[in-house]
Amino acid sequence: QVQLVQSGAEVKRPGASAKISCKTSGYIFTNYAMNWVRQAPGQGFEWMGWINPNTGTPTYAQGFTGRFMFSLDTSASTAYLQIMNLKPEDTAIYYCVYSTQYWGQGSLVTVSS
Amino acid sequence: DIQMTQSPSTLSASVGDRVTITCRASQSIDMWLAWYQQKPGKAPKLLIYKASNVEGGVPSRFSGSGSGTEFTLTISSLQPDDIATYYCHQYNVDSPWTFGQGTKVEIK
Repeated sequence: QVQLVQSGAEVKRPGASAKISCKTSGYIFTNYAMNWVRQAPGQGFEWMGWINPNTGTPTYAQGFTGRFMFSLDTSASTAYLQIMNLKPEDTAIYYCVYSTQYWGQGSLVTVSS
Repeated sequence: DIQMTQSPSTLSASVGDRVTITCRASQSIDMWLAWYQQKPGKAPKLLIYKASNVEGGVPSRFSGSGSGTEFTLTISSLQPDDIATYYCHQYNVDSPWTFGQGTKVEIK
């Protein structure tokens, strides 16, 4: 049974960093790309990009370059999203997504002074 | 990027009604389209993949159709448990993923 379990909610000050984990189980981690999707409060979904689990090569969508970083720990079957220099507009739920079918439960990041 | 235009944005219907939601892609996506149901505070739940394939465990009242640029999600008989927001999602090969704006379904 495929599971994607994300880390818990975080409250951060502007300028700080956040790192979200997505621990997977039930499938071969290196078989499928891991995507990241953002949902701002009351809004729809924005695709942030994906990371190749074999090479570790990330691809960032427009609007998610510079402050956003995808990474992996293949030994732990875990993907990470780091957001640096947080801004209030980064307040959102962040989801890891495998193969359109499987979504993590979401990690809420709140950026507020 | 491929734009997804979803309509209507809100839909109010009675229990037992047939409900249809439409998604249009700005260019052909073949059949690379999924439909999700999202309830408040929850992650999206996959209903339909590859335009017309019903995900396991999804009630048979949900169906999807279409190809190319025009797609439809149909609920054959609306139930109270179907109150949610529905999103289409294109995942065409070698294209950035994009999503429709969502359709909020309410009971009249």
